[in-house]
Amino acid sequence: AQTVTQSQPEMSVQEAETVTLSCTYDTSESDYYLFWYKQPPSRQMILVIRQEAYKQQNATENRFSVNFQKAAKSFSLKISDSQLGDAAMYFCAYVGETSGSRLTFGEGTQLTVNP
Amino acid sequence: AAGVIQSPRHLIKEKRETATLKCYPIPRHDTVYWYQQGPGQDPQFLISFYEKMQSDKGSIPDRFSAQQFSDYHSELNMSSLELGDSALYFCASSPLGSDYEQYFGPGTRLTVT
Repeated sequence: AQTVTQSQPEMSVQEAETVTLSCTYDTSESDYYLFWYKQPPSRQMILVIRQEAYKQQNATENRFSVNFQKAAKSFSLKISDSQLGDAAMYFCAYVGETSGSRLTFGEGTQLTVNP
Repeated sequence: AAGVIQSPRHLIKEKRETATLKCYPIPRHDTVYWYQQGPGQDPQFLISFYEKMQSDKGSIPDRFSAQQFSDYHSELNMSSLELGDSALYFCASSPLGSDYEQYFGPGTRLTVT
């Protein structure tokens, strides 16, 4: 079974600075997708960014970018120019070609942004 | 842009009662997923439907059942509720060919007393 691990339960960053959230996963599949979801205090799950495993280029969405290391099974999220509104729980998630379409989530990282 | 709609947003039930949660996917999304998120936990997959047929099943208790209707909305039926069923229940939807990109609704917070 696929597993997703987020080893940082909590992280903090100063406003306007950069922070990196870590995620590792374990899979035997060759084709899969990775996602970062944001869950603010409202508890809404918001898709931040996604990465296809077959693409070597790292995904980027405005201030959010990923560092995808397929061989190391690592998928970190970098948030640049952090804003107060970035404060939230961040979940790394995996879905694979043989695991149906279900998302498997990591335990989450609670990000605090300090003014 | 239209989002996933879930109703009710909050629900309080007593033990052994039944509950029905509803989900209305984004228009033209044909796949619906249900997840359960307990306090301080990550979301856990329950069940999914594609074109009104069950497509995948996770750790869903036998007391729970779900279906997708002809208009693509879905309902999660929960019977013999237990205190441990208290959680946030998310519905998500995705369009055909989306590479598994799932869009979540706001969730239904179920409290069992």
